[in-house]
Amino acid sequence: NAGVTQTPKFQVLKTGQSMTLQCAQDMNHNSMYWYRQDPGMGLRLIYYSASEGTTDKGEVPNGYNVSRLNKREFSLRLESAAPSQTSVYFCAGQARDRGSYEQYFGPGTRLTVT
Amino acid sequence: AQRVTQPEKLLSVFKGAPVELKCNYSYSGSPELFWYVQYSRQRLQLLLRHISRESIKGFTADLNKGETSFHLKKPFAQEEDSAMYYCALVRGSTLGRLYFGRGTQLTVWP
Repeated sequence: NAGVTQTPKFQVLKTGQSMTLQCAQDMNHNSMYWYRQDPGMGLRLIYYSASEGTTDKGEVPNGYNVSRLNKREFSLRLESAAPSQTSVYFCAGQARDRGSYEQYFGPGTRLTVT
Repeated sequence: AQRVTQPEKLLSVFKGAPVELKCNYSYSGSPELFWYVQYSRQRLQLLLRHISRESIKGFTADLNKGETSFHLKKPFAQEEDSAMYYCALVRGSTLGRLYFGRGTQLTVWP
């Protein structure tokens, strides 16, 4: 049981390049989330998927797209990377437990755009 | 609009001293409040949730609806408590979507 996994762990891109960040979970979560973490800004939600086949924008969706490929996988795509997208990206899955919610986070992807 | 406010970016205490990490929220309904913690080089994880009214690793947090606060407290800080702490809120209508504060970096000195 690996929980929530993310690939790659590190990536360096040049401005204008594209890439896809992969996220997979084996915890049977219906909901999955993509966040970015920046110093002094906390975690900001980029996109989320409440269930397989649905996706919705979060606080900072511009410059990103997502795909909920199946229940296990939720990918984040940068079509044309910009230096402002330099960040640490976290994927999370969500369970409802004991009448409340808990999100389980992946280890993160550290992305640098030059 | 900032729904969760953590006024301190950095907080330092000495080992054995009490520590309080502040969190205020803005939401007129019935929120669910959480504290998440991120230790160095580890992934973010849930520390505690207000609905459980439990103590985890000596930490407690009480939801004060009058003051719209959910401060995290520990009477005697330990060096291993050094980490980034995030307060987070779920609004009743948003199916579990979390709104995070900007975090407080706690350092406990020996």
